[in-house]
Formats: sequence, structure tokens, C-alpha cells
Amino acid sequence: AQSVTQLGSHVSVSEGALVLLRCNYSSSVPPYLFWYVQYPNQGLQLLLKYTSAATLVKGINGFEAEFKKSETSFHLTKPSAHMSDAAEYFCAVRGSNFGNEKLTFGTGTRLTIIP
Amino acid sequence: GAVVSQHPSRVICKSGTSVKIECRSLDFQATTMFWYRQFPKQSLMLMATSNEGSKATYEQGVEKDKFLINHASLTLSTLTVTSAHPEDSSFYICSARARTGGPFGYTFGSGTRLTVV
Repeated sequence: AQSVTQLGSHVSVSEGALVLLRCNYSSSVPPYLFWYVQYPNQGLQLLLKYTSAATLVKGINGFEAEFKKSETSFHLTKPSAHMSDAAEYFCAVRGSNFGNEKLTFGTGTRLTIIP
Repeated sequence: GAVVSQHPSRVICKSGTSVKIECRSLDFQATTMFWYRQFPKQSLMLMATSNEGSKATYEQGVEKDKFLINHASLTLSTLTVTSAHPEDSSFYICSARARTGGPFGYTFGSGTRLTVV
């Protein structure tokens, strides 16, 4: 079984400051990990994904995440926050074994950008 | 890129009536469809998984007779909330996967806000 834990349901950062959203995973098999962003009353948009090809993953809108097996973490970062980054962010995991297609989501982190 | 069109975006219905939500894959064949439910300020909870032409597999605690899922074609899946009640009010989101999409190809619809009055 797979699961993810997102530490911090709310994160506030100043515009231009570093964004750090935390995600820790638990998986009985090598995981595939994802970060999604959700704007109000909308579906989910993929920011980036870890597919075991590289531990540092770059995504859209300047976001990146690093897979750290020793820490079972996949934290999302962005060097400089922009007002448009204000949204809900979800970390998700699925197992890499064949037939295991379900995505399991974390509880989400609401990011607020302070002008 | 892959697009999933979900309709309606918002619906208000009276208690006891049924509501149908559609998800269409516009430029790919959705062999697998996932239906999620999201309560305000909460995460997405998987309700069921359906493969084209097969019966849906429901998660524990989800009433299959209340949430009817049809995935009769490779481009259309529907979720029908039967005899809706106020506690069914929620945000429903579909996610589609293509056979050729690899293990990472999940495309989400834009969601449906259901309000039962």
C-alpha cells in the first residue's frame, strides 16, 4: 500500500520568497510520485512527477522537487513565489508495480502569497 | 495535450432526484476512468475505478447503487448520483488514463460542484 503525508495544511510566504511544501511518502514498492496544483473550483493540474529517472525533477511554473529515498520525502520548492502561485497543492503516490494504477493523495497544502 | 471535458461544472438539484455527470476524453481513448469526491478543504477520495466495457470497482464504503458509473465507450464515462441527498453535496472530479499513456498519464476533468437542496 502507498500513502503520502503533507506536513502543513497552510503555508504562507511573501512574494519573492522561497516556497517549500513538504511531502513524505510510504510505499511497499518503489513509488511514482506526483505534485498537483488545484485552483478554486477546478480540477488538478500536474506540476511534476518522479518516475525514477532522476531524483531532481523540474516541473512547470518554476517548481521542482527532489526525491530523497533516505528521507522518504518528495518536497516541492520554488525559489521565488509569485502571487499566481496561491492555490491548493496535492502530493500523490502510486506504486510502480504493474496493475497498481490508483493515485493516493495527501491532504493538501493551501499556499498563500503575501504581497 | 490530453484533455478531459467534464460537465456540468455546477449543478443544483432537489433532494431525491438523480444527477448525471459526464466526462469525455477529447483527444485520446480513456481505457480507465477514476472518479473522486472532494469535500471542502479536503483531499480527493477515490470513489471508484472503471475500465471501458467493464463494471466499475468501488472503494470500500462507497455505495455502488447510489453512485452509478458507466464507461461504455473509450471516450465517455458517466457518474450518476441517484436519489441525491444534501450529504451528497460535494465536488466530484474524474481522471482518465489511456492505454498508451504510460504509468504517469493521468488527465483530470475540471470538476463538478454538486449542491443538493
